[in-house]
Amino acid sequence: DTEVTQTPKHLVMGMTNKKSLKCEQHMGHRAMYWYKQKAKKPPELMFVYSYEKLSINESVPSRFSPECPNSSLLNLHLHALQPEDSALYLCASSQGVMANEKLFFGSGTQLSVL
Amino acid sequence: GQNIDQPTEMTATEGAIVQINCTYQTSGFNGLFWYQQHAGEAPTFLSYNVLDGLEEKGRFSSFLSRSKGYSYLLLKELQMKDSASYLCASSFGNEKLTFGTGTRLTIIP
Repeated sequence: DTEVTQTPKHLVMGMTNKKSLKCEQHMGHRAMYWYKQKAKKPPELMFVYSYEKLSINESVPSRFSPECPNSSLLNLHLHALQPEDSALYLCASSQGVMANEKLFFGSGTQLSVL
Repeated sequence: GQNIDQPTEMTATEGAIVQINCTYQTSGFNGLFWYQQHAGEAPTFLSYNVLDGLEEKGRFSSFLSRSKGYSYLLLKELQMKDSASYLCASSFGNEKLTFGTGTRLTIIP
């Protein structure tokens, strides 16, 4: 299994809603990532988990809350989002935790905040 | 962060060859990735260069010159399905992977 699986594929939410994005990999990868990508822009790193511990938070607003329940799962909890948070949210994983590791991306969740 | 520069858009003809360039700051350079991303889909890995020279994988080749801070992705025998964004990415020192702005490649018949 060489896939990173993300659910849901599409999500529409209001500014008062609470929702969660889910990501799963069964490749035994030790690092997992959340990226945000706006249209026609490159992915921007949000969070990195290394061995199930949060190692990087790129000054992301607290309305985004990551969680890594175990080595295969990564969640992103969303609360009180703003319309400008609408974007493609990509999960990725890598075998190791070094900066030059190849990333395996999920297909993303297209989020629209109304 | 480190600057990675690549052209924003390119157009090429089906069956032809296209070269997408990428330049980066050389300080602390670890290696350079190329990813392909179709609209609305996840980026997929194409190549990784850490040593100088050309690496070929079928229709795609990637070149690196560490001393010049320069890489290119060469696509041969272009097909319509090659229309996508091509992202150059690298890490510097122990910092996170940094993506370039991406090159949107359009293939025309």
